[in-house]
Amino acid sequence: GQNIDQPTEMTATEGAIVQINCTYQTSGFNGLFWYQQHAGEAPTFLSYNVLDGLEEKGRFSSFLSRSKGYSYLLLKELQMKDSASYLCAVFPNDYKLSFGAGTTVTVRA
Amino acid sequence: EAGVTQFPSHSVIEKGQTVTLRCDPISGHDNLYWYRRVMGKEIKFLLHFVKESKQDESGMPNNRFLAERTGGTYSTLKVQPAELEDSGVYFCASSQAHGPGEQFFGPGTRLTVL
Repeated sequence: GQNIDQPTEMTATEGAIVQINCTYQTSGFNGLFWYQQHAGEAPTFLSYNVLDGLEEKGRFSSFLSRSKGYSYLLLKELQMKDSASYLCAVFPNDYKLSFGAGTTVTVRA
Repeated sequence: EAGVTQFPSHSVIEKGQTVTLRCDPISGHDNLYWYRRVMGKEIKFLLHFVKESKQDESGMPNNRFLAERTGGTYSTLKVQPAELEDSGVYFCASSQAHGPGEQFFGPGTRLTVL
């Protein structure tokens, strides 16, 4: 089976930085996604990493180390609207996304 | 461009009843996926269509679940008869190509079986 771990909850202050870690053990690897999901809404795509290194996109960055089975999502200059669930998902050998349970980020004023 | 839509947004039924969920993928997307999230757990894959053909239904829990995609456009997922453990949020996603790349998700249907 696939095993994807991420923290359950994180809290941070508006304007701060938060790093959400994700570790995975899967039968093969064809890429890692981060999705953002607000309550009652569709998960929306944030980033996709298939090679090692850092991908930066505005306030959000995602890092991947395939040898360590590790990724993180970095959220900078936090805003209240960033309060959401953040989902780490992996494509193993096939292309069925395997998800972690999600990390609920609460941004406080 | 319209995103993935799902209907209904919520459904509350009694154990033993039948429910049909609908998903309309993004126009032109041949690949359609169904996922499910039960309370407190991660989102899990149910099945994958390429056009009207089922490519992979290894995640379907049992034979009470039937998915169809007649004509290769919208898809339905029927649960008959529903059991308490079927409660959860059912997501649909679509993609243009099957492989590495973004899957676009719908908002989900929240199913509650009483």
